[in-house]
Amino acid sequence: QKEVEQDPGPLSVPEGAIVSLNCTYSNSAFQYFMWYRQYSRKGPELLMYTYSSGNKEDGRFTAQVDKSSKYISLFIRDSQPSDSATYLCAMSDDGNKLVFGAGTILRVKS
Amino acid sequence: DVKVTQSSRYLVKRTGEKVFLECVQDMDHENMFWYRQDPGLGLRLIYFSYDVKMKEKGDIPEGYSVSREKKERFSLILESASTNQTSMYLCASSQGPSGNTIYFGEGSWLTVV
Repeated sequence: QKEVEQDPGPLSVPEGAIVSLNCTYSNSAFQYFMWYRQYSRKGPELLMYTYSSGNKEDGRFTAQVDKSSKYISLFIRDSQPSDSATYLCAMSDDGNKLVFGAGTILRVKS
Repeated sequence: DVKVTQSSRYLVKRTGEKVFLECVQDMDHENMFWYRQDPGLGLRLIYFSYDVKMKEKGDIPEGYSVSREKKERFSLILESASTNQTSMYLCASSQGPSGNTIYFGEGSWLTVV
């Protein structure tokens, strides 16, 4: 079993939809949780960062962490074609060495 | 803006060749990392370094070595390239134990034939 599980998709939604992306994990020591966005043939860029449990909102993006269920989510409101990318969840126990999910491919159709 | 620069974006090498992938960061970060990314597997940590001349193995170090002679530069070395090392290689740097300061380079696409 992988330490971090993420559905690879692809997930295809119409423009304006609410998108929900999820990861589950098995290591209860993880306390740093991140979401990265990666466009084709580019490096990942940090989108959201959460320490420990709770919610964090930044514009159209909301990150949720439920440590009791070992489950994290990223919600994208009013999705745009420019949101089409691969979304990677990542987590860490020490804040440095990241363990990544496999990534979910998102396609937003106009 | 933080910049992590990987000098070679696309490389084609022959089996058995020695390959050097160079990474330079311009923010005086202490920590540097090398990952490889493969479809369906996500990013996997090869080696990392928390200080000059220091290195530690990640999850998949076999077939790789690294060098960090200067704080800003972290090199990944494939001693004898093999076809199963065809992949995208990503360098990253960070400052301190906070996950929100990890920055990635654009990636180096290596094909071994």
